[in-house]
Amino acid sequence: DGGITQSPKYLFRKEGQNVTLSCEQNLNHDAMYWYRQDPGQGLRLIYYSQIVNDFQKGDIAEGYSVSREKKESFPLTVTSAQKNPTAFYLCASSTGPTIYNEQFFGPGTRLTVL
Amino acid sequence: QKEVEQDPGPLSVPEGAIVSLNCTYSNSAFQYFMWYRQYSRKGPELLMYTYSSGNKEDGRFTAQVDKSSKYISLFIRDSQPSDSATYLCAMSGGSNYKLTFGKGTLLTVNP
Repeated sequence: DGGITQSPKYLFRKEGQNVTLSCEQNLNHDAMYWYRQDPGQGLRLIYYSQIVNDFQKGDIAEGYSVSREKKESFPLTVTSAQKNPTAFYLCASSTGPTIYNEQFFGPGTRLTVL
Repeated sequence: QKEVEQDPGPLSVPEGAIVSLNCTYSNSAFQYFMWYRQYSRKGPELLMYTYSSGNKEDGRFTAQVDKSSKYISLFIRDSQPSDSATYLCAMSGGSNYKLTFGKGTLLTVNP
């Protein structure tokens, strides 16, 4: 089955710790995205990548970092610099960075900072 | 003014009702419009997309775009309890291919 997988489904972190969220896709999509979803806030773009070894900041990149070493993988690290990291994190992919490419989402990772 | 406005609801309807979900937008460069459905604690799934003004129908769902009014709608006919979810509008266009999302409308269809 083609799709996007995210792991873990639930993640708990102590304050001051960095954590890495995994995102893998087997859709052969070039573009990948990370969003954060908070209650009543909709989806906000953290980082996006158009091709391997390239990525750009989204609207709320502070306190986050990413890498894109492989086409199918786009891990997100939530650093201790992120002041309010508790949220639902969604990874998405699309065939390419044009306005006519639909984005497909993974199941999400719920991060809770204790 | 936010680029995309969507009434968060919640919206509660009886089974079989016709549901109308709406978004307004301010960026006239938006050309591509999508509706996503998101069940609780799940990732959004693409429901419908359209490039142009007018109506697009898919089963019980109809997407409507009015570019002159900067207004898009999603209609659900014969609503079912399984339609209970949050519905997100999204759009893109111009030189920016990123998607801009509405905040989502929470719909509950009561049996």
